[in-house]
Amino acid sequence: GALVYQYPRRTICKSGTSMRMECQAVGFQATSVAWYRQSPQKTFELIALSTVNSAIKYEQNFTQEKFPISHPNLSFSSMTVLNAYLEDRGLYLCGAVDWGSAETLYFGSGTRLTVL
Amino acid sequence: GEKVEQHESTLSVREGDSAVINCTYTDTASSYFPWYKQEAGKSLHFVIDIRSNVDRKQSQRLIVLLDKKAKRFSLHITATQPEDSAIYFCAAKRGSSGNKLIFGIGTLLSVKP
Repeated sequence: GALVYQYPRRTICKSGTSMRMECQAVGFQATSVAWYRQSPQKTFELIALSTVNSAIKYEQNFTQEKFPISHPNLSFSSMTVLNAYLEDRGLYLCGAVDWGSAETLYFGSGTRLTVL
Repeated sequence: GEKVEQHESTLSVREGDSAVINCTYTDTASSYFPWYKQEAGKSLHFVIDIRSNVDRKQSQRLIVLLDKKAKRFSLHITATQPEDSAIYFCAAKRGSSGNKLIFGIGTLLSVKP
């Protein structure tokens, strides 16, 4: 079955520093990877959608300068939170889908970011 | 922009009863509607989905209904069990690749023994 591994599960960083999270798709080809954030008491906001052979599309309020994403192949993606501040805390999820076979977005376990 | 509204923020039912969670969407081009479950402190787990070419789908104790005219879809959990307790998120997106999945705010379902 489709599995998405995301790591680290938790991370704590000092205000103004950066942290990187990674996402690995197992058992299927991640033709698209979506990065979401769930801030405290909120729903899931899309940060950006990365589709193979297309430019990465960032949502309003999120930029490549702040959340650079790499999607070098059909099984791996990473995202960095640069210069993290308190408002960046939350649960970050990567979701991967293989458009060739299905429409279901499968999510990794998430990376919970705490900023001190 | 496109929105997905989830009407019940909390829902409490007794074990064995049915639970119904309702969502509406604004984008008439939406054609794919998945449901996810989030247990405390955990990630999103895919539960069931429905596409706009049907109006009903069932998987064991889960039934999803879609009313395209009303732009409304709902999740019915029958014969609820305590382990069904979680936050349930509905979502909607347009059909083709490259389109984003928009989530509702979530419904906290509590199933009491």
